[in-house]
Amino acid sequence: EAGVAQSPRYKIIEKRQSVAFWCNPISGHATLYWYQQILGQGPKLLIQFQNNGVVDDSQLPKDRFSAERLKGVDSTLKIQPAKLEDSAVYLCASSLDYRRTPRLLNTEAFFGQGTRLTVV
Amino acid sequence: TQLLEQSPQFLSIQEGENLTVYCNSSSVFSSLQWYRQEPGEGPVLLVTVVTGGEVKKLKRLTFQFGDARKDSSLHITAAQPGDTGLYLCAGAQWDTGNQFYFGTGTSLTVIP
Repeated sequence: EAGVAQSPRYKIIEKRQSVAFWCNPISGHATLYWYQQILGQGPKLLIQFQNNGVVDDSQLPKDRFSAERLKGVDSTLKIQPAKLEDSAVYLCASSLDYRRTPRLLNTEAFFGQGTRLTVV
Repeated sequence: TQLLEQSPQFLSIQEGENLTVYCNSSSVFSSLQWYRQEPGEGPVLLVTVVTGGEVKKLKRLTFQFGDARKDSSLHITAAQPGDTGLYLCAGAQWDTGNQFYFGTGTSLTVIP
C-alpha cells in the first residue's frame, strides 16, 4: 500500500514570498490533516479535511495560510506571504473516515515525510 | 486546543538502561497514540490505546493508558541505540471530529 506522498521535500524561500505544498493521501482515506512542526516540538494541527469539507481550521493563520482539497483527494497548503517564523516542517497525514468506520480504526493517522520549509 | 504535556523533554541514557516517558493532560481522550519520529521523517505509529487502564506491550516497549483516559506512559526496557528518536503522544476525540492533538515530544538518545 502506498503511503502519504508529499512534495517538495525541501523548500527555501525569502520572507514575503509565497510557497505551496502538495499532499496525496492514502487511497480511500477520507480524512486529511495538515500539521506544522517546529524543530524539537510536537506537530500542531493546522487544518483537517473530511473529503473536501473543512472539519477544523481553528489554528490556521488565515491571514496568510490557505488550504484546499477540491476533489476530496489531493490537498495543497499555501503560505502567502511567508514570515521567518513559518520555518518548520509541514506534515500531511490521512486516516479513514471517522464517521463510518469502527471506532478503533478511526484512531490511526498515517504521515508523509513532510516538507521542510526554511524562510530566510 | 487540547494540551498534552510530555516529560521529560530530553532524555539521554546508556544502552541497556530502562526509561519511562509520561504524557499528561487535563482532558479526556477517546484514544491515545504513541508515535516515534526520526530526523527528516514523519511520525510513525507505535501503538493505539483506547480503554482506561489498558496496557499494551510491543517487544521491549510497554504502553499504558490511565484509568481516566487523561494520561499515558511509555516504558522502554533495555534501551538500544535504535530506539533513539522523538517520541510523541497524540490524543484523539472521536466525538468532535477525530482530531489528533500531539504532545510536546520527548527526544531520546541512547548512547552505545
